[in-house]
Amino acid sequence: GAVVSQHPSRVICKSGTSVKIECRSLDFQATTMFWYRQFPKQSLMLMATSNEGSKATYEQGVEKDKFLINHASLTLSTLTVTSAHPEDSSFYICSAGGQGGQGHNGQFFGPGTRLTVL
Amino acid sequence: QKEVEQDPGPLSVPEGAIVSLNCTYSNSAFQYFMWYRQYSRKGPELLMYTYSSGNKEDGRFTAQVDKSSKYISLFIRDSQPSDSATYLCAMSPTGFQKLVFGTGTRLLVSP
Repeated sequence: GAVVSQHPSRVICKSGTSVKIECRSLDFQATTMFWYRQFPKQSLMLMATSNEGSKATYEQGVEKDKFLINHASLTLSTLTVTSAHPEDSSFYICSAGGQGGQGHNGQFFGPGTRLTVL
Repeated sequence: QKEVEQDPGPLSVPEGAIVSLNCTYSNSAFQYFMWYRQYSRKGPELLMYTYSSGNKEDGRFTAQVDKSSKYISLFIRDSQPSDSATYLCAMSPTGFQKLVFGTGTRLLVSP
């Protein structure tokens, strides 16, 4: 149990375009989903926390108008990178908070989306 | 000073060795401690989590937390080449909300 999927796994786009990344919890309901960004050889940096049906909470320094987060259902959250620029190129990972195997609560991660902006 | 410090490695060991991975932290409010394994270009996978101080064992993996020293460890016994990955420690004051991650230690187990 506790499977989280992300789509797409990789995307290459031109500067100025918008990119949408989907995060789904496949076998559990996630009231909270998290979006992280990871640069090469660096740790995960939390961008925002989203709760189903309410506005996302963004970490300091993350532009909410640039990184639009929607959490419309208990199994789906989306991150839209608007007007992407080369400096937005990174590995974006979502996680979902819920109950996993053996009854353990946890934060379960998706496989990540590698975004390259040309 | 970062809230969570972790040696990035790489840590190279021969197959069968006992591996010790460590993190130190500065925030005394942390109560939940996790270890994640991340393979290249993949999302992190939860290995173990512990609450407060103490030890927890799961197969070849043992997690230790020493809150008095603000120091946590993950031991891997009988290491295998398939254990080669980056190991991230993470911690939180409130369960699995708002985790703070270490930078990760890259482990290489050679056959």
